[in-house]
Amino acid sequence: ETGVTQSPTHLIKTRGQQVTLRCSSQSGHNTVSWYQQALGQGPQFIFQYYREEENGRGNFPPRFSGLQFPNYSSELNVNALELDDSALYLCASSLGEWYTEAFFGQGTRLTVV
Amino acid sequence: SQQGEEDPQALSIQEGENATMNCSYKTSINNLQWYRQNSGRGLVHLILIRSNEREKHSGRLRVTLDTSKKSSSLLITASRAADTASYFCATSGSRDDKIIFGKGTRLHILP
Repeated sequence: ETGVTQSPTHLIKTRGQQVTLRCSSQSGHNTVSWYQQALGQGPQFIFQYYREEENGRGNFPPRFSGLQFPNYSSELNVNALELDDSALYLCASSLGEWYTEAFFGQGTRLTVV
Repeated sequence: SQQGEEDPQALSIQEGENATMNCSYKTSINNLQWYRQNSGRGLVHLILIRSNEREKHSGRLRVTLDTSKKSSSLLITASRAADTASYFCATSGSRDDKIIFGKGTRLHILP
C-alpha cells in the first residue's frame, strides 16, 4: 500500500477563494508531483518538486503554486478559484530516478461552486 | 498535453477472458508505466518497463514495449470482477522527468 497521504479528502470552495491542499510523501522519497484530473480524463501534470525546488511545470497558470518542505511533504495552492478548477487533485511521490515508479495518494476532490 | 493515448477508450469483457489494452506515445522515453484507478480515486502502480526491455510479467499482467513503433500493450489474463477499473499508461522521458499520462482505458468485467 502507498505511504502517500493527502488532506483533505473532499473540499468545497466558492469561486474566487483560495485553497491549500497537502501531501505527505512516502518515506525516503525526495520528489513530489501534483496532478489535476477532471472527470473522465487522465491526470494532467501541474508541477514537480525535487529537494524543495520546482523542476518541472505543466500548462497551468501562475495561480497554481506549490511548496516542498525539508521533510519532502508538499502543498498545492490555488488562488482565485474558478469553476473549472473542480477536479480530483493527486499527489505522487518518487525517488526522482527515471527507473522507479511513482506512488500516488488517494487524492483531494475539490468542488468549486 | 498528454503523451500517451490508450486504445480502446472502453472495453467490456466476460469474467475469465483476457483483456488487452494498447498505448501509443509520441516522443522517446526512458520508461513506460501502467497504472490502475478505481472509481476516480488514487492511482495504483502496476508495472514499469524500461526502454531497453521488451516484455515484463507481474502475476496476471504482461506488458510489452515496442520502441520502434512507440507503443505498449497491457494484457490482463483470466480477468476478474475486481479488475474493473480505468487503466492508464504513463511515460517518462529522462532522469527526474515528469510522468505524463494518457486518457485511459475503462475496463468493465462482466459477471
